[in-house]
Amino acid sequence: GDSVTQMEGPVTLSEEAFLTINCTYTATGYPSLFWYVQYPGEGLQLLLKATKADDKGSNKGFEATYRKETTSFHLEKGSVQVSDSAVYFCALSDLRWAGTYKYIFGTGTRLKVLA
Amino acid sequence: ETGVTQTPRHLVMGMTNKKSLKCEQHLGHNAMYWYKQSAKKPLELMFVYSLEERVENNSVPSRFSPECPNSSHLFLHLHTLQPEDSALYLCASSLRSREDGYTFGSGTRLTVV
Repeated sequence: GDSVTQMEGPVTLSEEAFLTINCTYTATGYPSLFWYVQYPGEGLQLLLKATKADDKGSNKGFEATYRKETTSFHLEKGSVQVSDSAVYFCALSDLRWAGTYKYIFGTGTRLKVLA
Repeated sequence: ETGVTQTPRHLVMGMTNKKSLKCEQHLGHNAMYWYKQSAKKPLELMFVYSLEERVENNSVPSRFSPECPNSSHLFLHLHTLQPEDSALYLCASSLRSREDGYTFGSGTRLTVV
């Protein structure tokens, strides 16, 4: 079945460092791809998405490009802040149940940014 | 505020208690979901309601009982839980036929003592 694999965390960076969190996927069709962020004590929030190959999703300085040839959707940010400390989840869409989309999540990568 | 409201935010219950978790959305979504999030484990999809009909029940023990009285409300009824059921329970909603992703609530932190 479809699946998402994320790099193990935690990732610890100094403020203003460059961030990459790797995500690869396996899918039989052409899913949309998503990154979600979860701040401490909160639910998951949609950060960005891409719906087809070569699309770039971006939000709040984060970017990810849908790479069909490498089945990847790596999350990047040029300069992280302490406030970016959170858990980041990669996900893909999967059409199920007579027309209802389900989303398959990776295991999450914890990011800690030090001042 | 995400548009999906979960109550209560925190709940402590004994193993013999009965309690309910509530989820409410007024986003016009027509699919709702319950997830369990435990420390160091992947998100576990528990139940899915699409157009108010349950379409998935992922081998969840019968001590968890979902209810979806209308498209805006979702409940998770709890009874005779075990300590290993302690977790963050997340509700999410979506437009079933659109690939826009979920909108999650902030979760209910459940502790079973």
